[in-house]
Amino acid sequence: AQSVSQHNHHVILSEAASLELGCNYSYGGTVNLFWYVQYPGQHLQLLLKYFSGDPLVKGIKGFEAEFIKSKFSFNLRKPSVQWSDTAEYFCAVTLYNTDKLIFGTGTRLQVFP
Amino acid sequence: DTAVSQTPKYLVTQMGNDKSIKCEQNLGHDTMYWYKQDSKKFLKIMFSYNNKELIINETVPNRFSPKSPDKAHLNLHINSLELGDSAVYFCASTPDRGDNEQFFGPGTRLTVL
Repeated sequence: AQSVSQHNHHVILSEAASLELGCNYSYGGTVNLFWYVQYPGQHLQLLLKYFSGDPLVKGIKGFEAEFIKSKFSFNLRKPSVQWSDTAEYFCAVTLYNTDKLIFGTGTRLQVFP
Repeated sequence: DTAVSQTPKYLVTQMGNDKSIKCEQNLGHDTMYWYKQDSKKFLKIMFSYNNKELIINETVPNRFSPKSPDKAHLNLHINSLELGDSAVYFCASTPDRGDNEQFFGPGTRLTVL
């Protein structure tokens, strides 16, 4: 069965530190890739998405992610985190032209001032 | 002017009761979803409807019955509530079937005592 793995369950950083959250998926076909963020007590919001084209995608709030097809990965990065980035981050995948969004288990990011 | 709204936001009830959660989207989308987020923050799709037609039905107990009176609404009715049903339930919508960004509602936190 298709799955999405996020290996970092809990990440703690100081402000201005760089961030990289790992995401790997298991599916050999064409996929669409997403990163969603859930701030405390709020609903999920889309950070960025990859459908096709340039594998380096830029999202909101200074986030970016790189799709590496050979590694089945879509890691999220931010060069300098802020306290307001404290949230739960979810990687998600849809198989090409399907409706089902498969989520990873999430990574809890805590940023301390 | 909320895009995807859910009511109620919180729901506390006793085991064995029947309850409903409502979802409405004013985005003009054709496809709507229900997700369950458990206590470990893991998100899993439950159902999907496209233009009032059921298109995804994951292995969910038949105590859960979605109903879509029109394409802007997707309600979730749960019979004979169990302790394990305690979770946050998210509604989402997307313009059409396939590989699109999903827009999420604020969630309904269901607690079964």
